Amino acid sequence: KQEVTQIPAALSVPEGENLVLNCSFTDSAIYNLQWFRQDPGKGLTSLLLIQSSQREQTSGRLNASLDKSSGRSTLYIAASQPGDSATYLCAVKDSGTYKYIFGTGTRLKVLA
Amino acid sequence: GAVVSQHPSRVICKSGTSVKIECRSLDFQATTMFWYRQFPKKSLMLMATSNEGSKATYEQGVEKDKFLINHASLTLSTLTVTSAHPEDSSFYICSARVGTSGFTDTQYFGPGTRLTVL
Repeated sequence: KQEVTQIPAALSVPEGENLVLNCSFTDSAIYNLQWFRQDPGKGLTSLLLIQSSQREQTSGRLNASLDKSSGRSTLYIAASQPGDSATYLCAVKDSGTYKYIFGTGTRLKVLA
Repeated sequence: GAVVSQHPSRVICKSGTSVKIECRSLDFQATTMFWYRQFPKKSLMLMATSNEGSKATYEQGVEKDKFLINHASLTLSTLTVTSAHPEDSSFYICSARVGTSGFTDTQYFGPGTRLTVL
């Protein structure tokens, strides 16, 4: 059974710092991995999607990498801003069921 | 881009009543819709998968008689929480799937519905 874990569970950093969020999954049989942002009480905003054949994706200050064989992905946020404060979720699409399995989330707070 | 809406965005009801939540794909047809539940400060847990015109498939541990799902058209799925109790209070999120290939399909997520049962 696929399990997705995110470390750390919570993170507080000063503005301007570069940071890395980690996501690990137990079964490498995935179609893709997606990083989402969720603001308090709100739905999900898709940030980056990495197909299983890809190694990384970039969008603005965000860079996500994928190492499928080791079951790991990282989300790199450059020059963090207070507006980046949110919960970040990673999710893997299981290749057997086509379903997304979500990680436990990292609550990020960027201090001004 | 593709938009998925949910209605209502927030609902408060008394214990024992039933609540219906709608999930609509506004500008595309969704062959499959998914319903997730999220407890406070927890991740999303898949509840069920619904395909248009057929019965929903529920995840292990989810009571199908408690959470009724109807997918009447390619743009609308509904989740009805029957005889709601305080422990059903949660954030419910739907997603709509475009495409049939597991490799190339895309899921779009709705904004969520906050259910509070008193």
